[in-house]
Amino acid sequence: DVKVTQSSRYLVKRTGEKVFLECVQDMDHENMFWYRQDPGLGLRLIYFSYDVKMKEKGDIPEGYSVSREKKERFSLILESASTNQTSMYLCAGRRALQETQYFGPGTRLLVL
Amino acid sequence: GENVEQHPSTLSVQEGDSAVIKCTYSDSASNYFPWYKQELGKGPQLIIDIRSNVGEKKDQRIAVTLNKTAKHFSLHITETQPEDSAVYFCAASISSNTGKLIFGQGTTLQVKP
Repeated sequence: DVKVTQSSRYLVKRTGEKVFLECVQDMDHENMFWYRQDPGLGLRLIYFSYDVKMKEKGDIPEGYSVSREKKERFSLILESASTNQTSMYLCAGRRALQETQYFGPGTRLLVL
Repeated sequence: GENVEQHPSTLSVQEGDSAVIKCTYSDSASNYFPWYKQELGKGPQLIIDIRSNVGEKKDQRIAVTLNKTAKHFSLHITETQPEDSAVYFCAASISSNTGKLIFGQGTTLQVKP
């Protein structure tokens, strides 16, 4: 069965902290994505990765960075967390040239 | 860039009734239109999709229609059941190479028993 896992379901951090959100997929997917989900705004793409060590900015990359050192793992980094980064973060994986994205359960991040 | 608008934001129907969710897109180059369902506490999951060379697609109680001229597409759920209650997202994509999807704002569907 398809599986995308995210390291935490809930996370509480302080303003200014460096935050790491981890995503692991076991489907040998080349492509991985990080979205944030906010009420009334849907899902917005932060960053995506075609393959290991490759990354592309999405629509809202400001304040975020990513790391993909291994094929199965895609990390989202908040360099200095701010309250406006309080959100639900969703990771997804996709086999190259196939359409379906498979999502993890999400991490709900609260920045105080 | 591409922009996807989704309506309504909330929809409440009686069990057994039909539900329709509509989306419009801005970029005529978009050629792939998936619909995702997100149940409480879970990530979105693909339920049906359609490509620009097809006008309609059905899968049991769900169907999607596409009007390329008007640049809109719709999700139709017939004989709704309580387990259909969820948040539904439409999306549009230009490139299968990148897999980049532009999502609509989401519709919260409530099916009342």
